[in-house]
Amino acid sequence: DARVTQTPRHKVTEMGQEVTMRCQPILGHNTVFWYRQTMMQGLELLAYFRNRAPLDDSGMPKDRFSAEMPDATLATLKIQPSEPRDSAVYFCASGFTGTGFNYGYTFGSGTRLTVV
Amino acid sequence: QKEVEQNSGPLSVPEGAIASLNCTYSDRVSQSFFWYRQYSGKSPELIMSIYSNGDKEDGRFTAQLNKASQYVSLLIRDSQPSDSATYLCAVAINFGNEKLTFGTGTRLTIIP
Repeated sequence: DARVTQTPRHKVTEMGQEVTMRCQPILGHNTVFWYRQTMMQGLELLAYFRNRAPLDDSGMPKDRFSAEMPDATLATLKIQPSEPRDSAVYFCASGFTGTGFNYGYTFGSGTRLTVV
Repeated sequence: QKEVEQNSGPLSVPEGAIASLNCTYSDRVSQSFFWYRQYSGKSPELIMSIYSNGDKEDGRFTAQLNKASQYVSLLIRDSQPSDSATYLCAVAINFGNEKLTFGTGTRLTIIP
């Protein structure tokens, strides 16, 4: 069963530290999304890539967040420096887009980040 | 106005009854609509997609879309305790049809 793999599953870090989250999309999917979920805001789109090219990162705080896709099997989301307000569950999702038809996306298990 | 709105609930439904979940969206050019189910502590799971006006049935689930009213709903027939979860409505809001915006979800509890 194809799935999106995210690591780590849990991360506790101190304020000011760098955090890196990783995502392996489903083989054959060309689009990768990063979402953040909190109780207050729900699921928010941070950034997404198609064919490894960034299409939209308008949802991401630019001063501390960065997203990259060094190759087709790896997407990364970095926070530097981390702050307590970054505590949330970060989800990666992947799908196939570009044809004009949207089949929906598959989510990874998420990284639960706690910044103390 | 939020782009995708749902009643946060909680919605309590007796086992065996029909659960009805509703969602409205603001962007008239939206083309693709989805329902995701999220169990507590888990990731969202795609359960239904709908693209044209009318009803789409899949097992006990029926998605309904009315583009004129900008309204999409999910009906769950013969509700089971295992249906207790948060249901997220998602809409592709951009012209390229790939950027999904989610509602905040409706928490559904099925009472045995």
